[in-house]
Amino acid sequence: KQEVTQIPAALSVPEGENLVLNCSFTDSAIYNLQWFRQDPGKGLTSLLLIQSSQREQTSGRLNASLDKSSGRSTLYIAASQPGDSATYLCAVRGYNTDKLIFGTGTRLQVFP
Amino acid sequence: DGGITQSPKYLFRKEGQNVTLSCEQNLNHDAMYWYRQDPGQGLRLIYYSQIVNDFQKGDIAEGYSVSREKKESFPLTVTSAQKNPTAFYLCASSIGVGSNTEAFFGQGTRLTVV
Repeated sequence: KQEVTQIPAALSVPEGENLVLNCSFTDSAIYNLQWFRQDPGKGLTSLLLIQSSQREQTSGRLNASLDKSSGRSTLYIAASQPGDSATYLCAVRGYNTDKLIFGTGTRLQVFP
Repeated sequence: DGGITQSPKYLFRKEGQNVTLSCEQNLNHDAMYWYRQDPGQGLRLIYYSQIVNDFQKGDIAEGYSVSREKKESFPLTVTSAQKNPTAFYLCASSIGVGSNTEAFFGQGTRLTVV
């Protein structure tokens, strides 16, 4: 059974720092991995989708990498801003299933 | 505007009542999902549907029911059999299966038992 873990559970940093959020999964037979952002009381906003054949994806200050063989993904946030404060979730979609399995998230706070 | 609409945003249920949460999408997606989110537990899959008139149980389907009579609609009923229904419910959709399948979410419904 696929299990997804995110470390750290919470992170508090000063503005301007570069950050790395980690996501690990136990079954490497995945179609893709997706990173989401969730603001308090809101739905999820898709940030990046990495297909199983890809190594990384970039969008603005965000860069996500995928190492399928080791079951790991990282989300890199460059030059963090207070507006980046939110919970970040990763999810994997497995082969032969249409399920997205989620990690428990990393709650990020960026202070001025 | 394309997207996923969940309603209502807040819902209160009395003990013993059934309530139905609405989820509508105009993205022409085949697959739709319902997740439950509790503090500190992440998202757990309740039901999902890959095509009209077909759906499968997720990890925590007990006490819930769904229907998929139209491609754009996937309502979730929380029945009186669900013993702890207070939670944040999220609906999602995607084109289907495959490596390029991106999931999109609605804004959620917060259900509270009073």
